[in-house]
Amino acid sequence: DADVTQTPRNRITKTGKRIMLECSQTKGHDRMYWYRQDPGLGLRLIYYSFDVKDINKGEISDGYSVSRQAQAKFSLSLESAIPNQTALYFCATSEGNQETQYFGPGTRLLVL
Amino acid sequence: LAKTTQPISMDSYEGQEVNITCSHNNIATNDYITWYQQFPSQGPRFIIQGYKTKVTNEVASLFIPADRKSSTLSLPRVSLSDTAVYYCLVGEGPGQTGANNLFFGTGTRLTVIP
Repeated sequence: DADVTQTPRNRITKTGKRIMLECSQTKGHDRMYWYRQDPGLGLRLIYYSFDVKDINKGEISDGYSVSRQAQAKFSLSLESAIPNQTALYFCATSEGNQETQYFGPGTRLLVL
Repeated sequence: LAKTTQPISMDSYEGQEVNITCSHNNIATNDYITWYQQFPSQGPRFIIQGYKTKVTNEVASLFIPADRKSSTLSLPRVSLSDTAVYYCLVGEGPGQTGANNLFFGTGTRLTVIP
């Protein structure tokens, strides 16, 4: 079984809809992250969490919110999706700041 | 925040050694250098990490000069399966509380040619 899982793997939604992407991990790591990847732009950090009571904005948090429901779960929400949020979204975990990050398989989101 | 600069793309023939250099002129004393590999439609995967001089593992070597303002990822005898995007990250060392290592640039797209 994969250590970091993301659901759904693919999603098509319409402008204005609320959507939630979920991430679960079995690695026992305290730190979790959400990134988005657009063609030619590499990965950009959206939000990150160092433990259950900690939420921090990343480079591009506008239009997104997150919830750290438990050590193992970190959800990303788009309250009102817009087409320029069409991207590949990755969740990652790490044990510490400079420790290796382990990435999930990604969620491909298309906003029409 | 230490930014990094890498070549956008590189081509290499199978069996050759590939060296990808990353510039990080503003690297701080506590910063480590980490490289990740990403295949299409997959999340990045850790390759190697170092602080100074040379680090080697079963996949690659990392060369860091004394001034630490750059680093070079060396992939020995590449194969077609090494075609991927390679990212260089610079950030605080283990145990630190910041998030400075969480910024990926655009990476270097390596294409291995038969």
